[in-house]
Amino acid sequence: NAGVTQTPKFQVLKTGQSMTLQCAQDMNHNSMYWYRQDPGMGLRLIYYSASEGTTDKGEVPNGYNVSRLNKREFSLRLESAAPSQTSVYFCASTPGGLAGVYNEQFFGPGTRLTVL
Amino acid sequence: AQTVTQSQPEMSVQEAETVTLSCTYDTSESDYYLFWYKQPPSRQMILVIRQEAYKQQNATENRFSVNFQKAAKSFSLKISDSQLGDAAMYFCAYRSGNTDKLIFGTGTRLQVFP
Repeated sequence: NAGVTQTPKFQVLKTGQSMTLQCAQDMNHNSMYWYRQDPGMGLRLIYYSASEGTTDKGEVPNGYNVSRLNKREFSLRLESAAPSQTSVYFCASTPGGLAGVYNEQFFGPGTRLTVL
Repeated sequence: AQTVTQSQPEMSVQEAETVTLSCTYDTSESDYYLFWYKQPPSRQMILVIRQEAYKQQNATENRFSVNFQKAAKSFSLKISDSQLGDAAMYFCAYRSGNTDKLIFGTGTRLQVFP
């Protein structure tokens, strides 16, 4: 099992360019997440998908869109990149399902994005 | 809303010594989980230890243990016999009992000196 994979690992964009970060998991998990990590801020939730076909905003959704393409894949799109979106982006997944049941969250290796 | 606070941006420890990283949280919920994650220079997020709020016994994983003070809303991580490979960013995280979403603290960078 590859676990959670992310592409690309590094990306440099110019202000105003668009791009899509890809995430896939092979653990048959229901729930998937996108976080951003900034120095001194920890990880903050951008969007999440509790199950295939559903997406919800997290703490910092502005400037981003997501697509839960199927159960395996959850992509994050920047339509018009801004320098404030320079960050490390993490995708994560968890089995999901019953509330009150512990489910470990598994993280991808991250994408370092720089917007000039 | 729940919050997680890590008041130590950086800590250092000598190899083989013990170090404690602090974490406090704020919640009105009674059902929740607390976690410590390690992030080495590779950026990979690694789960170190977790604690269920309903359990009174402090969690332990080899050289890692927690001091969970529920009334004080404190969740510190103790690393015993520190090793060079323990050098990393450590994040404290909170999860409500009825969701899988994680709320992270701002992290503590741990340096280990030989």
